[in-house]
Amino acid sequence: DAGVIQSPRHEVTEMGQEVTLRCKPISGHDYLFWYRQTMMRGLELLIYFNNNVPIDDSGMPEDRFSAKMPNASFSTLKIQPSEPRDSAVYFCASSFPSGSGFHNEQFFGPGTRLTVL
Amino acid sequence: GENVEQHPSTLSVQEGDSAVIKCTYSDSASNYFPWYKQELGKRPQLIIDIRSNVGEKKDQRIAVTLNKTAKHFSLHITETQPEDSAVYFCAASRRSDMRFGAGTRLTVKP
Repeated sequence: DAGVIQSPRHEVTEMGQEVTLRCKPISGHDYLFWYRQTMMRGLELLIYFNNNVPIDDSGMPEDRFSAKMPNASFSTLKIQPSEPRDSAVYFCASSFPSGSGFHNEQFFGPGTRLTVL
Repeated sequence: GENVEQHPSTLSVQEGDSAVIKCTYSDSASNYFPWYKQELGKRPQLIIDIRSNVGEKKDQRIAVTLNKTAKHFSLHITETQPEDSAVYFCAASRRSDMRFGAGTRLTVKP
């Protein structure tokens, strides 16, 4: 397996533009997570899905952020309109539960470095 | 929700010395505690994890200890090497969501 795939790897856009980040989880993983990483706030969980259903979106900072998972192999994180303070590295991760009530490792994608000018 | 605190934020050690990073968590129901290593410009990668039904786990030069009563867990790296230099994150979860500590930047000086 190629691991978690994210695209684009780098995105530079201007304030007010729409940004769409994409993620393909590892095949067979039924949990998908979106994180944002900045120097100031560290690694923040934005939203996660289980079997394509959003479970917890309490970390989504504002209504400008939205995420979808139309099928088991694809998810998007959209920012509309984008602002300079959205500049960060956005990671997607996937995992599967162990079945014993515990959890398994989350595998991270390479991240998308977003710069909003 | 879960709150994870991590100390220290930076740590510098001499090659061959040991390094210890400590984390505390707030949710007594948390049962999974992984540690991730992130090298500059790279993704976080799991280096070791521990579940709440054990108190200690070791993998070569790294070990993790868990004190459920006190709600804290620690990462121990022995015989540090320059390639151990990175940012280390602890995390805690009780269902599927995971909350990360703020990270510790470890520098191993040759």
